[in-house]
Amino acid sequence: AQTVTQSQPEMSVQEAETVTLSCTYDTSESDYYLFWYKQPPSRQMILVIRQEAYKQQNATENRFSVNFQKAAKSFSLKISDSQLGDAAMYFCAYSGGATNKLIFGTGTLLAVQP
Amino acid sequence: NAGVTQTPKFQVLKTGQSMTLQCAQDMNHEYMSWYRQDPGMGLRLIHYSVGAGITDQGEVPNGYNVSRSTTEDFPLRLLSAAPSQTSVYFCASSSFQGYEQFFGPGTRLTVL
Repeated sequence: AQTVTQSQPEMSVQEAETVTLSCTYDTSESDYYLFWYKQPPSRQMILVIRQEAYKQQNATENRFSVNFQKAAKSFSLKISDSQLGDAAMYFCAYSGGATNKLIFGTGTLLAVQP
Repeated sequence: NAGVTQTPKFQVLKTGQSMTLQCAQDMNHEYMSWYRQDPGMGLRLIHYSVGAGITDQGEVPNGYNVSRSTTEDFPLRLLSAAPSQTSVYFCASSSFQGYEQFFGPGTRLTVL
């Protein structure tokens, strides 16, 4: 069975600094997708970034980028120039196979200090 | 487009009561799912559907039923509520395998 592990329950970063959130996963599938979702206090789940496993190039969305290491089954999220609005719970998620089911990690709560 | 809508936003039930959480999407998505979120456990899949008339169990299906009679609607039924079902429930939909799943605003359910 596939699993997703986020080993950092909480992280803190100074405004304008860079922070990296860790995620590892386990799967025997060769074709899959990885996601980072953000959940602010409003509770709404917001997609931050998406990576297709067959693409070697790391995905980037403005200040957000990933370090995808397929052999190591690692998928970390880097947030550059952190802003107060980045404070939220961040979930790493995996999707593979034909059913489009998402398997989530337990989340990392990110605090941004002014 | 309204996206994914869920009703109600909050609900309090007594043990043994039944109820239905409503979920609807107006994006013509084939994939729809229900997740529950509990502190320290992330989101866990309850049931999912890959199209109208097709449903299957996820990781934590016990105590819940679903049906998918139309593409737009995917209600979640609690048959006999238990305190262990106190949680936040999210509905999500997606167009294709591996694409972004769009989430509803969630329903906070408390079972006394």
